[in-house]
Amino acid sequence: DQQVKQNSPSLSVQEGRISILNCDYTNSMFDYFLWYKKYPAEGPTFLISISSIKDKNEDGRFTVFLNKSAKHLSLHIVPSQPGDSAVYFCAASASGSSNTGKLIFGQGTTLQVKP
Amino acid sequence: EAQVTQNPRYLITVTGKKLTVTCSQNMNHEYMSWYRQDPGLGLRQIYYSMNVEVTDKGDVPEGYKVSRKEKRNFPLILESPSPNQTSLYFCASRRPLSYNEQFFGPGTRLTVL
Repeated sequence: DQQVKQNSPSLSVQEGRISILNCDYTNSMFDYFLWYKKYPAEGPTFLISISSIKDKNEDGRFTVFLNKSAKHLSLHIVPSQPGDSAVYFCAASASGSSNTGKLIFGQGTTLQVKP
Repeated sequence: EAQVTQNPRYLITVTGKKLTVTCSQNMNHEYMSWYRQDPGLGLRQIYYSMNVEVTDKGDVPEGYKVSRKEKRNFPLILESPSPNQTSLYFCASRRPLSYNEQFFGPGTRLTVL
């Protein structure tokens, strides 16, 4: 039972345009969400996060939007650059699991930004 | 440089031959965990440790063991590997409650024949 789903395995966009990566979750206990970025042969690295008390968080070219009623979050990258080409993982956690540190990850979306 | 290291990076082995994947961090983090990444499934937590001598199961612990005798090290042990343990493994560390500062190792690609 996949509690965090990224239904698009891949996404291709042109350099300079917007990339939108989507993530859906089913567990209403999740209250903290993160996006990780992964390059080949490297471990995931933290990109941006959002708490459930917010609906938007912005960091430079990256913005995460959270729609709690729809149990949906999205990552916007504007403008997209070739160096953004990577696998992006959405992850979620519930406050009660803060001690276990358990993050539930989606399947990942491979973003390709074409020059 | 703050980092999590894993060894080996690549390993091909045969069914039943015990192996250990090492993980070490130099950030004095209390919390460490192991994940496996499989196609279509994302990353799933295998085991975690909140501090020395404190370990617990994650979502997919079957067939794995861990130990935490020192704060910096968190080895993953496969006593009798099987082909369904062929996967990409990541070790991670962080301070308590600091999800944003979770550091992942570079990964270990394991193939069990």
